[in-house]
Parts: sequence; structure tokens; C-alpha cells
Amino acid sequence: DSGVTQTPKHLITATGQRVTLRCSPRSGDLSVYWYQQSLDQGLQFLIQYYNGEERAKGNILERFSAQQFPDLHSELNLSSLELGDSALYFCASSTHRDRGPVEAFFGQGTRLTVV
Amino acid sequence: EDKVVQSPLSLVVHEGDTVTLNCSYEVTNFRSLLWYKQEKKAPTFLFMLTSSGIEKKSGRLSSILDKKELFSILNITATQTGDSAVYLCAVDYSGAGSYQLTFGKGTKLSVIP
Repeated sequence: DSGVTQTPKHLITATGQRVTLRCSPRSGDLSVYWYQQSLDQGLQFLIQYYNGEERAKGNILERFSAQQFPDLHSELNLSSLELGDSALYFCASSTHRDRGPVEAFFGQGTRLTVV
Repeated sequence: EDKVVQSPLSLVVHEGDTVTLNCSYEVTNFRSLLWYKQEKKAPTFLFMLTSSGIEKKSGRLSSILDKKELFSILNITATQTGDSAVYLCAVDYSGAGSYQLTFGKGTKLSVIP
């Protein structure tokens, strides 16, 4: 158990819909990172938040948004879903502010299926 | 164009063998190279490399970076079935006001008894 909790574990939804994925970081970690992993694209960095503020942005689509709340949990919102958004979405947390997921702990992921 | 290329894509070895996984990259403003092990689901952080020629070691795993030739290798000695996983390499580089992070496609290692 990494200490990073992601919910839900699985999500099936229709094209055009909107979903919210939730991540609770490890106790004491201020950074939260979001990643998308699909078979054809591999693992892609989406966005990082540190203590409520956006720190770095990767290949995140405009239809996607994220935020980190005062209690440090984070949510990734995916809207106008397309079939190609089907993927495993990971959240990771670490203590680092201006780095990638160094010494980071990953959650078990949310499997999103868009039908 | 892929910025981070891992090779081989797949590898099957017998227990006890030594394996070398490769990761080459092409980015500007390089900051660090990261290695991860991904078994069933979540990746596990292995190493961060920032300086050339300095080996990082953890048990039977070791890794080294060559910033001149722009590559890193991950060595696993005396492989065990528990080493079977996808090994991911990622490069952290400055860009767009903060940093960017790009992963390779991974090397799938299968260790057979």
C-alpha cells in the first residue's frame, strides 16, 4: 500500500459525459501529480499541483482540468469524453515542489472506459 | 518524435541472468532521468540520475547516466521471477516556465524459472 488513495477504481461512462477522479496523497506530501496511461501512448504526465497551486503542466487536454484542495486531496475532471480518453489514470504524491515524481508514491489508478 | 526511447521493448531471460535495459533521450535543458518499475498496476520509483558517471545502486539493481551520449542503462544482476515487470524511464527537463516530464514506452522484462 503506497498510502495514495484513488477513487473510483473503475469507471465506465458514455461519450460526451463528464467524470471526476479523486486522489488523496500520502500524509505529509504536498505535491500531487496526474498521469494518463494508455496502450498506444504509454504513460503521459498531465499536471502537478503543490500545496494547492499548479506547478507544472504536461500533455493535458483543454477538456481536462484539475485542482488541489486545502486538505491536499486532488480531483481530475474530464469532460466531453471521447473513446480515446479510455485509459488508466494515475495519481502520485511526493514532497517535492519543482520536480517530477522523484521518490513519489503512486496510487493504484482509476480505469476509465468510455463507451 | 519520441524524446525518450527505451530498448529493447521486450526481453525474456532465465532466472540468474544479468540484463541491461537502455534509455536514450533527446531533450534540451535536461534536469534528471528517472527509472520506475511497473508490475501489475502502479509504477514504483527506482532511481533518479542527474550526474554523468555516478552509479546508483539498490540491491541487484544499478543505473548510470551518460549525459554526453544522452543515455542511461539499468542493470539487473542475478534476475529473479519477481523482477518481471515493465521498466519505465522518464526524463525531466525545463520547459514552459517549470518543467516537463516525458516517459519512454517501457521495456517489458519477463524472467522465467
